[in-house]
Amino acid sequence: NAGVTQTPKFQVLKTGQSMTLQCAQDMNHEYMSWYRQDPGMGLRLIHYSVGAGITDQGEVPNGYNVSRSTTEDFPLRLLSAAPSQTSVYFCASTQRGWGNTGELFFGEGSRLTVL
Amino acid sequence: AQTVTQSQPEMSVQEAETVTLSCTYDTSENNYYLFWYKQPPSRQMILVIRQEAYKQQNATENRFSVNFQKAAKSFSLKISDSQLGDTAMYFCAFMKLGNNNDMRFGAGTRLTVKP
Repeated sequence: NAGVTQTPKFQVLKTGQSMTLQCAQDMNHEYMSWYRQDPGMGLRLIHYSVGAGITDQGEVPNGYNVSRSTTEDFPLRLLSAAPSQTSVYFCASTQRGWGNTGELFFGEGSRLTVL
Repeated sequence: AQTVTQSQPEMSVQEAETVTLSCTYDTSENNYYLFWYKQPPSRQMILVIRQEAYKQQNATENRFSVNFQKAAKSFSLKISDSQLGDTAMYFCAFMKLGNNNDMRFGAGTRLTVKP
């Protein structure tokens, strides 16, 4: 059972570099989202998508871009990494509409360090 | 915007005893879900228990139960017969019913179960 798969698990960047965190789910979930987790602040929503071709901003979107070309994939792009983006990133998905229990299914997280 | 507050950054409990983790939230919505997620050292986010706001009966899952007080906007988690494997970060989360599945988290409570 693959569920939500994130890659890479760990990444070290230098300030100003760009990178993409990949997220894929095999549960045919319409809703996908990205969170960042920082000590003492819980998980904060970066961006989310309610379906292919639709994305929107969450609480902390600055410095991040997303796209949703397919139902399965929802990559998160850092165009010019900053030390403030050092964090653990989680991708999550859930079903919408009928049968939605509200439960978010999470990937295993990606630890990003920006030097 | 909805906010979730966990006022206990850290707690500890002796194995086999009972512990209660607190959570309060602020919302003007009437229909929503509340959740407790567990994050062990593996970093994986695991759903512990879920409560629909329209249900008056408190949710239970084996050793885990909640005390949901809708008027007071309180949602505490009780863990009975604590086990060493319960050692983890616990996050309280809120999700309103609607077009998206925007879930908001508290800052978390680190629980240590002592042998």
